[in-house]
Amino acid sequence: EAEVAQSPRYKITEKSQAVAFWCDPISGHATLYWYRQILGQGPELLVQFQDESVVDDSQLPKDRFSAERLKGVDSTLKIQPAELGDSAMYLCASSLVGAYEAFFGQGTRLTVV
Amino acid sequence: AQTVTQSQPEMSVQEAETVTLSCTYDTSESDYYLFWYKQPPSRQMILVIRQEAYKQQNATENRFSVNFQKAAKSFSLKISDSQLGDAAMYFCAYRSAGYGNKLVFGAGTILRVKS
Repeated sequence: EAEVAQSPRYKITEKSQAVAFWCDPISGHATLYWYRQILGQGPELLVQFQDESVVDDSQLPKDRFSAERLKGVDSTLKIQPAELGDSAMYLCASSLVGAYEAFFGQGTRLTVV
Repeated sequence: AQTVTQSQPEMSVQEAETVTLSCTYDTSESDYYLFWYKQPPSRQMILVIRQEAYKQQNATENRFSVNFQKAAKSFSLKISDSQLGDAAMYFCAYRSAGYGNKLVFGAGTILRVKS
């Protein structure tokens, strides 16, 4: 069964360091989402891609976060420099365009110390 | 902007009983989709049930059903014959049918199932 792949599963980094997360969506899914989920809360959309184009990055802290999906397939989310408040689960999801549900990866648990 | 509100931070249900989780949303769009997702502890998010706004009939998936009230912008989830495996965080989500298909989540409801 096709799945959304994310790596790494866990990441511990020191404050002010750079960190990157990778996501490989389900083949054929044009839409890719990056969410941040603080423990006990709902996912908050950081950035949404349609193929290689950014559709929505209004909630992305652009002074420290960046995201790319160069060939419209896999995607990388980067934080530089990391802050203590960035500790959270980072979820990637993908979907077909339209009425279809989004499929989620297992997430990357980031801890900033 | 679309918003999703889940007013029940936590719910409990006895095994084999029925429980209803509430969700309201705010939108100016007429065409959209609504979802309930389940997130078990330390496991990935999975879809429970989906409802298209243009359909009047409420969606049903085995023990899971929804009560979709479009005028009231309400979308509740009913779980019948609750099982221990139903214990999880449940998220209500709204997806726009317009450009971008933005997917917005509520804050979630923790469901505890007692044996």
